[in-house]
Amino acid sequence: QQQVKQSPQSLIVQKGGIPIINCAYENTAFDYFPWYQQFPGKGPALLIAIRPDVSEKKEGRFTISFNKSAKQFSLHIMDSQPGDSATYFCAASGETSGSRLTFGEGTQLTVNP
Amino acid sequence: ETGVTQSPTHLIKTRGQQVTLRCSSQSGHNTVSWYQQALGQGPQFIFQYYREEENGRGNFPPRFSGLQFPNYSSELNVNALELDDSALYLCASSFGPNEKLFFGSGTQLSVL
Repeated sequence: QQQVKQSPQSLIVQKGGIPIINCAYENTAFDYFPWYQQFPGKGPALLIAIRPDVSEKKEGRFTISFNKSAKQFSLHIMDSQPGDSATYFCAASGETSGSRLTFGEGTQLTVNP
Repeated sequence: ETGVTQSPTHLIKTRGQQVTLRCSSQSGHNTVSWYQQALGQGPQFIFQYYREEENGRGNFPPRFSGLQFPNYSSELNVNALELDDSALYLCASSFGPNEKLFFGSGTQLSVL
């Protein structure tokens, strides 16, 4: 019940494309859903996060869509750039677990020039 | 770049040995969380320290232990190393137990 399933495992798009990464969760106690970006040799960095009281959140070129009834959320990257090439992780946590995050398995994104 | 620093950056040990990893939290943060990231996988929660006390633990055996010091820096100790302990160990600090995490760059541990 603690799992967060992420897809696809890898994704290749052309510059300017809109990659979409999907995640699904089971634990209905989760109420915080962040996305992290990780470059090789670095730790994950928080990109954007959402709580279940809204269905969409946008920050710059990054948008989270959230479907509470389906227990799914996704990350959209608008106008993707080669510099966006990285591994992206979705995660989730609940009020009782605080900052104890359950991560998805990651999506390796490649944006070709 | 976050203000979370980890040392060493890389470490090679042999099976059965013990290892200590260190983490300095970002200024103003009183909570440190440790995660293990195996190759090609997402980070997994090991434990969290808040005000020098363990404040939650993931599904890791007792040979994984930790400490938090009065300056909020932290150590992760792993005894009786096994080959499967080879991973990137990430430290994250936060303003409190339920606040946003800021990750360091990690310590890459290889167990031979």
